[in-house]
Amino acid sequence: GAVVSQHPSWVICKSGTSVKIECRSLDFQATTMFWYRQFPKQSLMLMATSNEGSKATYEQGVEKDKFLINHASLTLSTLTVTSAHPEDSSFYICSAPDGGHGNQPQHFGDGTRLSIL
Amino acid sequence: AQSVTQLDSQVPVFEEAPVELRCNYSSSVSVYLFWYVQYPNQGLQLLLKYLSGSTLVKGINGFEAEFNKSQTSFHLRKPSVHISDTAEYFCAVSGENNDMRFGAGTRLTVKP
Repeated sequence: GAVVSQHPSWVICKSGTSVKIECRSLDFQATTMFWYRQFPKQSLMLMATSNEGSKATYEQGVEKDKFLINHASLTLSTLTVTSAHPEDSSFYICSAPDGGHGNQPQHFGDGTRLSIL
Repeated sequence: AQSVTQLDSQVPVFEEAPVELRCNYSSSVSVYLFWYVQYPNQGLQLLLKYLSGSTLVKGINGFEAEFNKSQTSFHLRKPSVHISDTAEYFCAVSGENNDMRFGAGTRLTVKP
């Protein structure tokens, strides 16, 4: 079945570092991908919608300059957490629908655990 | 905009007992409903989905859910749970443009 690969799975870095997370659709093309953030024991919060070839759409309250999204191809979207600080520590998950209609389930990556020291 | 509410944050249950995890949705347009399971430090795995047609949907691992339009509910059920079903369960709703919104999650703990 369709698979979404997310890399890296764990990142530990110093405050002020920028971190890039990759999300790849392995056997299907994804014109749209979604980025979520999940705090411990909480639900997934949609951060932004990544659109191939155009600017991402950010949810209210999400800093676009802090969380840079690039969707340069039909199989790859990246999320860069710029100048990360401890409050950016979280579990980040990407997803992609296999198809363009809303009735398609999302395929999720395995997530990236980001810890900022 | 669509949204979902999961009524129980935690559900403890003994092994081989039945379980129901509750989910209510709100939307002014047609919706597509999903249940996902998340194991620790992993992404989400699709259990089942309702798109249209039969209101009783069967999924993986013996789970099923019933879409009830009049009550705007999509409760998840399993007649007999196993220890391995212990996980976080998320109800989700998607609109026509694929933006999926999740409920707060229900922690199912199966005790021996």
